[in-house]
Amino acid sequence: DTAVSQTPKYLVTQMGNDKSIKCEQNLGHDTMYWYKQDSKKFLKIMFSYNNKELIINETVPNRFSPKSPDKAHLNLHINSLELGDSAVYFCASSPPSVEQFFGPGTRLTVL
Amino acid sequence: DQQVKQNSPSLSVQEGRISILNCDYTNSMFDYFLWYKKYPAEGPTFLISISSIKDKNEDGRFTVFLNKSAKHLSLHIVPSQPGDSAVYFCAAIQGAQKLVFGQGTRLTINP
Repeated sequence: DTAVSQTPKYLVTQMGNDKSIKCEQNLGHDTMYWYKQDSKKFLKIMFSYNNKELIINETVPNRFSPKSPDKAHLNLHINSLELGDSAVYFCASSPPSVEQFFGPGTRLTVL
Repeated sequence: DQQVKQNSPSLSVQEGRISILNCDYTNSMFDYFLWYKKYPAEGPTFLISISSIKDKNEDGRFTVFLNKSAKHLSLHIVPSQPGDSAVYFCAAIQGAQKLVFGQGTRLTINP
């Protein structure tokens, strides 16, 4: 299946822990993104990478660090997790066009 | 500052009738507007887009209308089908592929 995949789908952890979410796309796209959907259901961009290079970095705490080992992968590492980090995180990728293809999301719950 | 707004959190339509979803925006520099559909526990799926230089784009049962003077766009679905029940997100894009989303409208198609 050609798609954007994310692991894990659910992540429950304690405050203060460090966690990572992995994203992979096999669509051959050069650009990948991380979005956050908060409790009010707003979807907001966090980061964008083009061919492993950071091109968009919204106002996100520096506890969040994206890592792109190659253009098919964009992982999100979060240090010192806080209650307010609880959200659904979506990875996406796009060809050189406006359409973006989203992964299924990772629901992060910080206790 | 919310640049893309969907003022109706929910909409209920009878099967076979027309569904009209509305979206307003504030930034006149947006280049493209897109509609995404989202089922529970899945990522958003691209539906249809329109360039800022057009006023209408049609794809099967889905038509998007853009009124630049009013900074308003709408998605028409006709005829509505039960499988159309989902949350619909309006989004806009400017330049470097940064999608700005509205807060979504939950569409329910009643048999």
